[in-house]
Amino acid sequence: GNSVTQMEGPVTLSEEAFLTINCTYTATGYPSLFWYVQYPGEGLQLLLKATKADDKGSNKGFEATYRKETTSFHLEKGSVQVSDSAVYFCALSDSTGAGSYQLTFGKGTKLSVIP
Amino acid sequence: DVKVTQSSRYLVKRTGEKVFLECVQDMDHENMFWYRQDPGLGLRLIYFSYDVKMKEKGDIPEGYSVSREKKERFSLILESASTNQTSMYLCASRPTGTAATGELFFGEGSRLTVL
Repeated sequence: GNSVTQMEGPVTLSEEAFLTINCTYTATGYPSLFWYVQYPGEGLQLLLKATKADDKGSNKGFEATYRKETTSFHLEKGSVQVSDSAVYFCALSDSTGAGSYQLTFGKGTKLSVIP
Repeated sequence: DVKVTQSSRYLVKRTGEKVFLECVQDMDHENMFWYRQDPGLGLRLIYFSYDVKMKEKGDIPEGYSVSREKKERFSLILESASTNQTSMYLCASRPTGTAATGELFFGEGSRLTVL
């Protein structure tokens, strides 16, 4: 079956530091890959996505590249801010045919950014 | 923008009570989902629905039921709440079709405490 493994947290960084959150996956098909973010007390919202190999998703200064050869989708940001403090979830969506998809989430990585 | 609305952000119930969690989406999405989120366990799928009056068990359906009488509304029911059902509950929806990637749109969550 499909699975997503992301680095365990919590991760604590100083403002303006470089961020990497590792994510690797296993899938039987050709999945789409997502990063979701959950700010304190809120639901999940899509941060970025990539639908095929070598695609780069980007949003709000975050980037992730779909690497099929290493089955990875690592999240990066060059300079984090206090407002980036949140839980980040890596996820994959694999087609099961007839317009149906199976979505698999990682366990989440909590990021805290200190001034 | 897609909006997924969960009727209650915070609920406190007593053991044995019947609990209804309501979710409404406004984008005519076919698929709807209920997850629970617990520290260290990530998101776990309780039930999902591909369309009106259809429901499928997810990974942890025990102690829960669902209802989908209208396309826009998906209700989660705890027939007899127990303390181990204290959790954050997240509703999500997504479209189907050839342009879909499996991306989920989440509500803000309902934090349930069972005493």
